[in-house]
Amino acid sequence: DIVMTQTPLSLSVTPGQPASISCKSSHSLLQSDGKTYLSWYLQKPGQSPLLLIYAVSNRFSGVPDRFSGSGSGTDFTLKISRVEAEDVGVYYCMQSVEPPLTFGGGTKVEIK
Amino acid sequence: EVQLVESGGGLVQPGGSLRLSCAASGFSFSSHWMSWVRQAPGKGLEWVTNIKEDGSETHYVDSVKGRFTISRDNAKKSLYLQLNSLRAEDTAVYYCARVDSPGAVLDYWGQGILVTVSS
Repeated sequence: DIVMTQTPLSLSVTPGQPASISCKSSHSLLQSDGKTYLSWYLQKPGQSPLLLIYAVSNRFSGVPDRFSGSGSGTDFTLKISRVEAEDVGVYYCMQSVEPPLTFGGGTKVEIK
Repeated sequence: EVQLVESGGGLVQPGGSLRLSCAASGFSFSSHWMSWVRQAPGKGLEWVTNIKEDGSETHYVDSVKGRFTISRDNAKKSLYLQLNSLRAEDTAVYYCARVDSPGAVLDYWGQGILVTVSS
């Protein structure tokens, strides 16, 4: 199984400041079709997860442009350019290059 | 509007069975793979299983193989998860999620349903 490792475990950010979350996979997420199967999700307190980013860097419909994704192969990053109060929650990366799909352990983001 | 509504959860004894349902609306159900993801209390997300558009292909995480069965009824726009031989460690909120083929991402999720396995 592909292991997904996220860092840091938690992040406390001042509103308006940037934040960055790292996600590393134990195997390359680049598929033979040329696509990289890495996505990011946010689970706000008490809610279901929401898709933020797919295929490394594509924002899902309705996701603010302060969220961006980058990376390749086995190393990926989610960046929030200016954190807002509504961004609190737990962020997860997920690989879908092969089953079983696997998630990172999560990064909890809180506001200072 | 895409909607996924889970039902069928509850309290069950170890070794017991339960059947979860997920009613889909607002999209062409028969055109999408579907998944179940679970989250144990206070823990992270764990993908459980998925099923192809026509039900001809399924995949499971090792911990549930032989105990859980995913199925679907495209005419009823419904997804199911049969949970057998339940263990305490199966206690979790179970989410139904739609799979978007380009990238195989989970683009819409239900509100989740709690399954508690306890004597």
